[in-house]
Amino acid sequence: QVQLVESGGGVVQPGRSLRLSCAASGFTFSGYAMHWVRQAPGKGLEWVALISYDGGTKYYADSVKGRFTISRDSSNNTLYLQMTSLRAGDTALYYCATGTTAMAIFDYWGQGTLVTVSS
Amino acid sequence: DIQMTQSPSSLSASVGDRVTITCQASRDITNFLNWYQQKPGKAPKLLIYDASNLEAGAPSRFSGSGSGTDFTFTISSLQPEDIATYYCQQYDNLPSFGGGTKVEIK
Repeated sequence: QVQLVESGGGVVQPGRSLRLSCAASGFTFSGYAMHWVRQAPGKGLEWVALISYDGGTKYYADSVKGRFTISRDSSNNTLYLQMTSLRAGDTALYYCATGTTAMAIFDYWGQGTLVTVSS
Repeated sequence: DIQMTQSPSSLSASVGDRVTITCQASRDITNFLNWYQQKPGKAPKLLIYDASNLEAGAPSRFSGSGSGTDFTFTISSLQPEDIATYYCQQYDNLPSFGGGTKVEIK
């Protein structure tokens, strides 16, 4: 069955960097676009970034553009999110998600990894 | 960017009631609209895709309708296990979510 397992979250000071990972299994990882979606504590869902199936196309929310980089490694079925210049407003549970029906119909989600930006 | 306005932000209904949530897009998104259910401490779960298609395994009491800018999500008979927050999401452009509707039992 499809599994997405995020890791790499933690407490980080403002201005520092962090890299999140999402290990995928149970489907042909190299065949599908992947996304990061985040949820601040007690708040709604916010789409963060998208990478195409082959890694050739990437899109970002305005709130993270220029600070976050999405990437993927199909040799080990892993999605990444490199986050730099972190701010308090980036504090959230970060989910990876994929759409096997269509690129942005999120039919599979991970359990999330929590990032807390605090001094 | 496409803004998604979801209402109400919360509602309280009795078991067996019909519950309706609306979502309005800031521009025409044809039918590129999905609905998710999120229970506390859990990841969102897809219920409806492309405005009106029921995801495999989702109970038939959930339904969706609409096109263009106005969409509706309905629970035909509210059950205790439906207590959750529901989100709409468009993907005509880069994805964006509505603000969510928290559904509680009266």
